Amino acid sequence: EVKVLESGGGLVQPGGSLRLSCAASGFTFDNYAMAWVRQAPGKGLEWVSGISGGGGQTYYADSVKGRFTISRDNSKNTMYLLMNSLRGEDTALYYCATYDTWSGYIDYWGQGTLVTVSS
Amino acid sequence: SYVLTQPPSVSVAPGKTASITCGGNNIGNKNVHWYQQNPGQAPVLVVYDDRDRPSGIPERFSGSNSGNTATLTISRVEAGDEADYYCQVWNSTSHQGVFGGRTKLTVL
Repeated sequence: EVKVLESGGGLVQPGGSLRLSCAASGFTFDNYAMAWVRQAPGKGLEWVSGISGGGGQTYYADSVKGRFTISRDNSKNTMYLLMNSLRGEDTALYYCATYDTWSGYIDYWGQGTLVTVSS
Repeated sequence: SYVLTQPPSVSVAPGKTASITCGGNNIGNKNVHWYQQNPGQAPVLVVYDDRDRPSGIPERFSGSNSGNTATLTISRVEAGDEADYYCQVWNSTSHQGVFGGRTKLTVL
């Protein structure tokens, strides 16, 4: 059974940093591209960042480019999102997901980890 | 950037057919995917590549895509179908997903 489990969310002050983790199991991790998708409270879905199976290609939404860094450790079946210079508008539930690199659909989602940016 | 437009809400009686649209410039030239999200839960893929269904998704869920509009159709609607629905396409240039704004389906 495919599982992805996020962790690392919490309360952080504006300008602060946080690192999210996503632990995967039930599939050959390095065969799959992975992504972070977020959902602000009461709002819709927003694609944040993606990374290829081997980790060599990374992609970012304009809203986080230069502040967030996505990475993965295939030996640990884990993906990360390092978030710097956090802003109030980054407050959201952050989902880890696998996605198809050709069509871009997300086939497996975690349950999310909540990031709250507030003083 | 590419914009997808969904109606904020759609209402349907049980047993009837619900249609949720997703508008975008020449969206017929793109692969469209649909997700269902129940309150407090992660989204679930219900249709991908315009009209394909993942395993475990009932045949009542179907999709179409042409011109400037993609449509998710739910036949014989049940109370359990009440949820938020999102369409999504892929920007192959920027390697990013683009989501529509969400449609809340209400089963009367």
